[in-house]
Amino acid sequence: AQSVTQLDSHVSVSEGTPVLLRCNYSSSYSPSLFWYVQHPNKGLQLLLKYTSAATLVKGINGFEAEFKKSETSFHLTKPSAHMSDAAEYFCVVSVGALYQGGKLIFGQGTELSVKP
Amino acid sequence: DTGVSQDPRHKITKRGQNVTFRCDPISEHNRLYWYRQTLGQGPEFLTYFQNEAQLEKSRLLSNRFSAERPKGSFSTLEIQRTEQGDSAMYLCASSSGQGAGDEQFFGPGTRLTVL
Repeated sequence: AQSVTQLDSHVSVSEGTPVLLRCNYSSSYSPSLFWYVQHPNKGLQLLLKYTSAATLVKGINGFEAEFKKSETSFHLTKPSAHMSDAAEYFCVVSVGALYQGGKLIFGQGTELSVKP
Repeated sequence: DTGVSQDPRHKITKRGQNVTFRCDPISEHNRLYWYRQTLGQGPEFLTYFQNEAQLEKSRLLSNRFSAERPKGSFSTLEIQRTEQGDSAMYLCASSSGQGAGDEQFFGPGTRLTVL
C-alpha cells in the first residue's frame, strides 16, 4: 500500500534562511510523488511533481525536491524563505497508474511559519 | 476563470438534514475526484469518476453519501441525514487522466458545518 509520512507537523524559519520540509514515502512500485501547498482560505496548488524522470525536481516559487529511492524520501527545500511562503504543505503519493485512477494519498501536512 | 469551481462555498445545516454539493471540473478533464479534509489533517480520498462512471469509493464513504456525474461533466455529492462528524471541507479535483503523474487541479472547497 502507498503512504506518505511528513516528519514535522510545524516548521518555523526566519525570512531569508533555507527551508527543509521532510517527507518519507512507502510504495510497492515506482511512485508518483507531489508537493502541494495550501494557503489560508485558498485551494490546493501543485508545487512540483516527480514521475520517474529526473530525481531532482524543480517547482514553482523556487522550491525543489529530491527523490531518493534508497532513503524512500522526497524532501522539499528552498534556499531562501519568503514571508509569502507561510502556508500548509502536503507531501502526496499517487496510487496506481493509468489503470488505477491515480487517487492521491496525502500526508498529514507541515505548517511552515516564516518570521521576519 | 476556467478552473475547478464548487458550490456552495459554505453550508451550515442541522443534524439530520440532507445536503448536496456541486463541482464543475475543468471542461476537458475526464477524471473527477472528491476528497474530504478535516481540521489539521490532509485531504482524504472519497471517490472518483472516469467520465460518468464512478470507478472507486473509499470505505470513508458510508451509505449516507452518494455521488453522481450524470453526463461526465459536473458532479454532485449528497450527504443524507447529516451527522456532526460530517463537518469538514469537501474538495473536488479534476485531471486529464493521462497517467500516474497527472496533476489534479483542486477547487476551493465547500465547508460543511453540521450543528
